[in-house]
Amino acid sequence: EVQLVESGGNLVQPGGSLRLSCTASGFIFSNYAMHWVRQAPGKGLQFVSAINTNGDNKYYGSSVKGRFTISRDNSMNTLYLQMDSLRSEDTAIYYCARALHLAAPSLWGQGTLVTVSS
Amino acid sequence: QSALTQPASVSGSPGQSITISCTGTSRDIGGHNYVSWYQQYPGKAPKLIIYDVSQSPSGVSHRFSGSKSGNTASLTISDLQTEDEADYYCSSYTSSVSLLFGGGTKLTVL
Repeated sequence: EVQLVESGGNLVQPGGSLRLSCTASGFIFSNYAMHWVRQAPGKGLQFVSAINTNGDNKYYGSSVKGRFTISRDNSMNTLYLQMDSLRSEDTAIYYCARALHLAAPSLWGQGTLVTVSS
Repeated sequence: QSALTQPASVSGSPGQSITISCTGTSRDIGGHNYVSWYQQYPGKAPKLIIYDVSQSPSGVSHRFSGSKSGNTASLTISDLQTEDEADYYCSSYTSSVSLLFGGGTKLTVL
């Protein structure tokens, strides 16, 4: 079964850090670009970051650029999102998604909740 | 960068057709043929239903179709069914090498 499972979400204080993971199974992970997309409670979807198949090219949304870092380990079938200098407005469900191409996240995980609050 | 503009809500009766619009600019929708549409049920992850303006992923009902004219993309759902009641989001590739989403449209099937 093709599956993406996110983990690492937690309650963290403003200014803190968190690392999210997304473990893939059921497909050849290294063949696909990957995305992180978030959704604040009761709000719409927002692009966070994307990475190409070998990790050489990385893209970020304007609201996270300079604070978040995307990476991947193809040997471990895992996608990561390192989040630093967290703010209350980063509170959201974070989804990882397999991409048809860089502009089309197609298969989504169930999401992991990040809450930034003191 | 502002979100793409979608109507907050649309409604229709079973068997009817409805269209949801998604308006952007020449830097996103108007400049690229990379518009996607997603369906999301409450508490669930989004599901891709249209990509590259009008392409259907495998397994998605052909009652869903997409199109684009200028800076506006559209999603049409024909033969509306009760299970289509959900939130719908559009997205577009942008010239700043990013992805921009719409604010979402709540579809109510009366």
